[in-house]
Parts: sequence; C-alpha cells; structure tokens
Amino acid sequence: DAKTTQPNSMESNEEEPVHLPCNHSTISGTDYIHWYRQLPSQGPEYVIHGLTSNVNNRMASLAIAEDRKSSTLILHRATLRDAAVYYCILPYNFNKFYFGSGTKLNVKP
Amino acid sequence: NAGVMQNPRHLVRRRGQEARLRCSPMKGHSHVYWYRQLPEEGLKFMVYLQKENIIDESGMPKERFSAEFPKEGPSILRIQQVVRGDSAAYFCASSPPGAGGKADTQYFGPGTRLTVL
Repeated sequence: DAKTTQPNSMESNEEEPVHLPCNHSTISGTDYIHWYRQLPSQGPEYVIHGLTSNVNNRMASLAIAEDRKSSTLILHRATLRDAAVYYCILPYNFNKFYFGSGTKLNVKP
Repeated sequence: NAGVMQNPRHLVRRRGQEARLRCSPMKGHSHVYWYRQLPEEGLKFMVYLQKENIIDESGMPKERFSAEFPKEGPSILRIQQVVRGDSAAYFCASSPPGAGGKADTQYFGPGTRLTVL
C-alpha cells in the first residue's frame, strides 16, 4: 500500500496562497492522488484528484511532480474557512482510502 | 441533490448496549464505505459494501461489529455490547455505480459521534 507523508501543520495568512506538500515515493503507475479536507466536527470533503497532469478546479490546484513521487495542493487565496486538516490519499486495493495524520492548516486573519 | 445522510448525529450508549448507525447514500449511489475516527487521528477504513453485498470487511473488528446494505433502505453499522473503546466518530461515504477504481471520489456524510458511558 502506497503511503503518504505530510507535514503535521502549516500556517498561512488570509488572502495569501498556500502550498501543501505531500510525498508518496512508493506510488505505483496506476495510483491516483486524492486530496480531501476535514473541517472541525465535519466529515471529509473532496478537494481534488489527479493522476499525472496538473489539475485545477474551483477549490484548488494540484501540482504533480514529473516522477509522481510528490504533489502539492495549492489554495490560491486562503480564507478563514479553509482552516482544516488536509489529507493526501492514495487509494489501495482499488478504492480503500488510507487517511494518515494529514496537515492541519491554520489561517491567520 | 441531498448529500450523504447519517443518523443519529450523536449517540450515547452504556456499556453492553447495542448501537445502530444509519447511512443513506447520495441518490443513485450504490457503493457505501464505513470509516471510524478516534480523537486526534485520521479516519480508518472499516468496510465496503454494495447493495446486498459485503465487498471488503478487512477493517472491521472480528467481533461485535457488523454491517449491511439492504436492497431497500439505508446501510446499517451495528455494534453489539459496546465498550468504552468504541467511542469514536463513525463516517460513511458513498460513490456511484461503476465505481470501484482508484479514480473514484467518495462523498462523506457528517458522521455519527458515539459515546459509550
């Protein structure tokens, strides 16, 4: 099972971009990279996912390294509502999600 | 389109009682997953079900825990003879038919917070 490594916590100022890194050095060729976030007392919320190419949606961008051993979730302008735990996930056995400790993002006003 | 619904949102049980947690997937979704989250930890996979079938229960404790997803009605996670260590948040997620691959998005419910006294 491919595992991921993320920093325990990060801090950002409101209205500034945030880059959340994730290492997945044992990723296989068919592993998609998923990002979810969990706000306090809520269920995880889908953010974005990708395979090889960089991906953009209304919430964020996902930058995937050429060798796919790492990726970065980019929030273009952090808001206070983006304060959450962000999880980088590689599904195993097809579609089982392994949630590690994630990165706790603190956004300062 | 309503999201994944779970009830109750909070459940208090005394040791030895049974806990029943319900999950209604998003409309049109036929795949359900259950996860457990202990305080300050990430979610842990428990079981994956499709309508009337348990596909993967490798994360379920061998005793006291069971899950079902009947043809009609919500998915049920049942915990018999609860103990204090069962206190946790239980989340279910759903995904649409044809899912089962590594690209599939799972949509999570708000969770049921179980407290065992």
